[in-house]
Amino acid sequence: EPEVTQTPSHQVTQMGQEVILRCVPISNHLYFYWYRQILGQKVEFLVSFYNNEISEKSEIFDDQFSVERPDGSNFTLKIRSTKLEDSAMYFCASRDRGVEQYFGPGTRLTVT
Amino acid sequence: TQLLEQSPQFLSIQEGENLTVYCNSSSVFSSLQWYRQEPGEGPVLLVTVVTGGEVKKLKRLTFQFGDARKDSSLHITAAQTGDTGLYLCAEPPMIYNQGGKLIFGQGTELSVKP
Repeated sequence: EPEVTQTPSHQVTQMGQEVILRCVPISNHLYFYWYRQILGQKVEFLVSFYNNEISEKSEIFDDQFSVERPDGSNFTLKIRSTKLEDSAMYFCASRDRGVEQYFGPGTRLTVT
Repeated sequence: TQLLEQSPQFLSIQEGENLTVYCNSSSVFSSLQWYRQEPGEGPVLLVTVVTGGEVKKLKRLTFQFGDARKDSSLHITAAQTGDTGLYLCAEPPMIYNQGGKLIFGQGTELSVKP
């Protein structure tokens, strides 16, 4: 069964460093998402992406964040200069024209 | 922005017991989804409810949408250890436009002990 994959599963980085989180959505899907979940808190929407552009973003998604779909397969989230408070699980999701979003297993980002 | 309140936040029960968890809002839901999340994995969709008063069953899980579409419940009959996980409710947008973000509640952490 097709699934969303994410790499790495765990990323440790120092404050101020750039990180790129990678996702491979399900191949025929059209809409792509990033969410994050800080430990003990709710899953929060970051950004949605459709037709090669951002369609919606939250207040969290400031100019330190960017997304790209560089090759029609991968979908990446870049954080330019990480802060301690960026430590969280980051989930990628994708969907076709239906209502169900399919989530990846997540990347645990630890900023020290 | 819609705020979804889930209760209880934590629930620990013995195998074979029944349980109910709740999702509430002060505003009317357009529709509501329930997800289950296991450790180290992303949320997985269980069900979508759309119509007020709607009841859906998924094996031992029964989902109910309130008549006024401001609350929903998930009832598990004869819980099993495999039901352990985080149960999340989420509201999808009213119209699936180019965005389609989900707004999640904080979840109910269920632990079923043998």
